[in-house]
Amino acid sequence: DADVTQTPRNRITKTGKRIMLECSQTKGHDRMYWYRQDPGLGLRLIYYSFDVKDINKGEISDGYSVSRQAQAKFSLSLESAIPNQTALYFCATAGQGGDTQYFGPGTRLTVL
Amino acid sequence: AQTVTQSQPEMSVQEAETVTLSCTYDTSESDYYLFWYKQPPSRQMILVIRQEAYKQQNATENRFSVNFQKAAKSFSLKISDSQLGDAAMYFCAYRRYGNKLVFGAGTILRVKS
Repeated sequence: DADVTQTPRNRITKTGKRIMLECSQTKGHDRMYWYRQDPGLGLRLIYYSFDVKDINKGEISDGYSVSRQAQAKFSLSLESAIPNQTALYFCATAGQGGDTQYFGPGTRLTVL
Repeated sequence: AQTVTQSQPEMSVQEAETVTLSCTYDTSESDYYLFWYKQPPSRQMILVIRQEAYKQQNATENRFSVNFQKAAKSFSLKISDSQLGDAAMYFCAYRRYGNKLVFGAGTILRVKS
């Protein structure tokens, strides 16, 4: 079984809809991250969490929110989706040393 | 702020040959990590190799090695004996200890048979 899982793997939605992307991990890591990938821009950090009570904004947090429901679960929400949020979204985890991040399989989100 | 630059949008290599992917970064920190990630068409992000800035020795993982030039802030990836399965997007990334990853824009590597 995969150590970091993301659901759904693909999602098509309409402008204005609320969307939640979920991430779960079995690696026992404290640190979790959400990135988005756009062509020509690489991956950019949206939010990150170093433990259940710690949530931090990344470089592109506007329009997004997160919830750390447990050590193993970290969800990303788009309260009112817009077309320029169409992207590939990745969850990642890291141990307390935090040097290497391990990525989930990604969620392709399309906002029409 | 840290930035990572990959100046080669695309590269091609003949199977069994060697190719080098370039990466430069900008930072004022002295203690950090550098990574190369591979993203095949499956879109999974796969760690290829990592380098701790305090280590002078270049990291090596089988056919993959890096040329880390700390003073020049350069971190290139060399792939030896290229295989068809090496075809992918490669991302260079910087990480300050305990902090977040900053990625370059990526280099598409094509392997010709």
